[in-house]
Amino acid sequence: DTAVSQTPKYLVTQMGNDKSIKCEQNLGHDTMYWYKQDSKKFLKIMFSYNNKELIINETVPNRFSPKSPDKAHLNLHINSLELGDSAVYFCASSQAATEQFFGPGTRLTVL
Amino acid sequence: KQEVTQIPAALSVPEGENLVLNCSFTDSAIYNLQWFRQDPGKGLTSLLLIQSSQREQTSGRLNASLDKSSGRSTLYIAASQPGDSATYLCAVDNNRKLIWGLGTSLAVNP
Repeated sequence: DTAVSQTPKYLVTQMGNDKSIKCEQNLGHDTMYWYKQDSKKFLKIMFSYNNKELIINETVPNRFSPKSPDKAHLNLHINSLELGDSAVYFCASSQAATEQFFGPGTRLTVL
Repeated sequence: KQEVTQIPAALSVPEGENLVLNCSFTDSAIYNLQWFRQDPGKGLTSLLLIQSSQREQTSGRLNASLDKSSGRSTLYIAASQPGDSATYLCAVDNNRKLIWGLGTSLAVNP
C-alpha cells in the first residue's frame, strides 16, 4: 500500500525518559512534516523537512529533535519527556506545496 | 499571523439534510486550502484540496469553495448520511505550513 506510516501507534512512558517516533512514506514525496494534536484537538505544525533539509521549525522546545536520514523517512526524538508532551503526533508528506497526506498518528502518554 | 476559524463548532442534523460547514482565515496569502475528516481516535483523511487559484473542488457528495479575497471557504455536504459523522477540519497552507481550525464536529442522526 502507498501511504504514510508511523510507529509506534501508542507510546506510554514515564516523565524524564527519551523516546523516538518513526515515520516513513512511500509516496515519493520530497517534503515531510510533524504535527502535534493536543488534548483540545488543536493541531499545530512542529517541523518540516524538504529533501532532508529542515525548512520549518516552529518554536518547538529543543528537547524535540527531528532527523531525516533520507527523503522517505522523518523521525522524531524527544528527550526528557514532560507531562505536557502527551498528545497525538502526526507525520505527513507532500510533493512541494501540494496536498499533504497524513499518517495514522502516534498517541504519546507521559505519566 | 494566520488564524483559522471554523463555524459552527458542532452540528447535529437528521440524515438526508444538505449542510454547510464554514471556514475563515485572516491572511489571504495562502498556497492552498485543504478540508480533512477525522474520526474519533483516528487519523486525518484528506477530503478536498483547493489551490489558491481555484474557486471550488468537488468529490462525490462534497463540494468545497474558496473565496481568497474574503478569507472564506465552505464545505457543502449533500444528502448527509450517518457515516458522515466525524470532525471536519479546515487547514490553510502558508508556504508548506498547514494552519488549522479547531474543526466542526458533525453528527448525522439516522
